Amino acid sequence: EVQLVQSGAEVKKPGESLRISCKYSGYMFPSYWIGWVRQMPGRGLELMGIIHPGDSQTRYSPSFQGQVTMSLDQSITTAYLQWSSLKASDTARYYCVRQYGYGGNFCLDYWGQGTLVTVSS
Amino acid sequence: QPVLTQPPSVSAVPGQKVTISCSGSSSNIGNNYVSWYQQLPGTAPKLLIYDDNKRPSGIPDRFSGSKSGTSATLGITGLQTGDEADYYCGTLDSSLSDAVFGGGTKVTVL
Repeated sequence: EVQLVQSGAEVKKPGESLRISCKYSGYMFPSYWIGWVRQMPGRGLELMGIIHPGDSQTRYSPSFQGQVTMSLDQSITTAYLQWSSLKASDTARYYCVRQYGYGGNFCLDYWGQGTLVTVSS
Repeated sequence: QPVLTQPPSVSAVPGQKVTISCSGSSSNIGNNYVSWYQQLPGTAPKLLIYDDNKRPSGIPDRFSGSKSGTSATLGITGLQTGDEADYYCGTLDSSLSDAVFGGGTKVTVL
């Protein structure tokens, strides 16, 4: 069974750093990209970027390039999303996703439960 | 402002059919596959339709997808109270080199 299990909710202050995690299991890891989706309160879905478990190649959405860092540890099948200096506007729920396909025929076929990140002074 | 345009809401009584439109352009829907996601209240989104009209295993055939030109449509027949959710369309935008989504459509069962 494919599972994406994310770390718990976080409350941080502006300027602080943060790393959230996503443990993936139940499938052939190098075959699928892992991605992160942001959903701001009351808003829609935004794919922030994807990372390949085979070689850690990353593809960032232009909107998120330079704002976050994706990484993973293949030895423990865990992906990470990291901020070096949080802003109040980073308050959102973040979903870890498995991407099926690439380019024009992609879809997000499995989702983690989401991690709520709240940034407030 | 989402790149793909969806109606904010649709509603119908149980048993009826609803359709949700997703309008784009030749750089996204017109030349790439569309997927649809269902987000029940307080839960993570779930894949409903991929490659325009394919259903993942476990998705009932009450849900269907279609596409014509630069618009895609999600259809839900035999509407149930458990279908109350937000529905999102998504695809690749080749000009933006980015995944794009619609703003979401809230389905209400009257």
